[in-house]
Amino acid sequence: DSGVTQTPKHLITATGQRVTLRCSPRSGDLSVYWYQQSLDQGLQFLIQYYNGEERAKGNILERFSAQQFPDLHSELNLSSLELGDSALYFCASSVPLAGVSTGELFFGEGSRLTVL
Amino acid sequence: QQQVKQSPQSLIVQKGGISIINCAYENTAFDYFPWYQQFPGKGPALLIAIRPDVSEKKEGRFTISFNKSAKQFSLHIMDSQPGDSATYFCAASRAGTYKYIFGTGTRLKVLA
Repeated sequence: DSGVTQTPKHLITATGQRVTLRCSPRSGDLSVYWYQQSLDQGLQFLIQYYNGEERAKGNILERFSAQQFPDLHSELNLSSLELGDSALYFCASSVPLAGVSTGELFFGEGSRLTVL
Repeated sequence: QQQVKQSPQSLIVQKGGISIINCAYENTAFDYFPWYQQFPGKGPALLIAIRPDVSEKKEGRFTISFNKSAKQFSLHIMDSQPGDSATYFCAASRAGTYKYIFGTGTRLKVLA
């Protein structure tokens, strides 16, 4: 158990709809990352937040947005969904509030989104 | 310059054999090279990592070999076991940035 919690685990929705994926990082971790994993596509970096502020942006579509709240949990919002958005969405956390960081990312078990 | 190229895409090895997965990078600013292991239905988990000041790092049956001049690094799994069957991702980052570039993954199957 990595300590990173993602909900929901599975989500089925229709094209054009909007969904919200939620992530609770490990206790004490300040940074949250979102990755998209499509079949045979590896892990595509979407966005990173550190202590509530956007820190880095990857290949995130304009239809997607994210935020990190004061309690450090994060939400990834996906709107105007298309068939191609079907994928596993992973959240990872790192950078503890105290202590030395090892550089390790801790991943949740992912949210599997199916767009029909 | 931001890519990490990983090969092979899939690999089948007999129990007890050696599994070898290769990665190549372009950005010479990268200085942290982890390997992540992912089992079906689970998130990736750190397996082993190396920094470029050493050419090899070994943890149990898992070894990373690093060739700085060639900008390549590889994962060797000795005495491969069916329980090693998983997808393996290499990655690269600059220490402290936590911005990882992942390879496309290698699906390893170890036959009993």
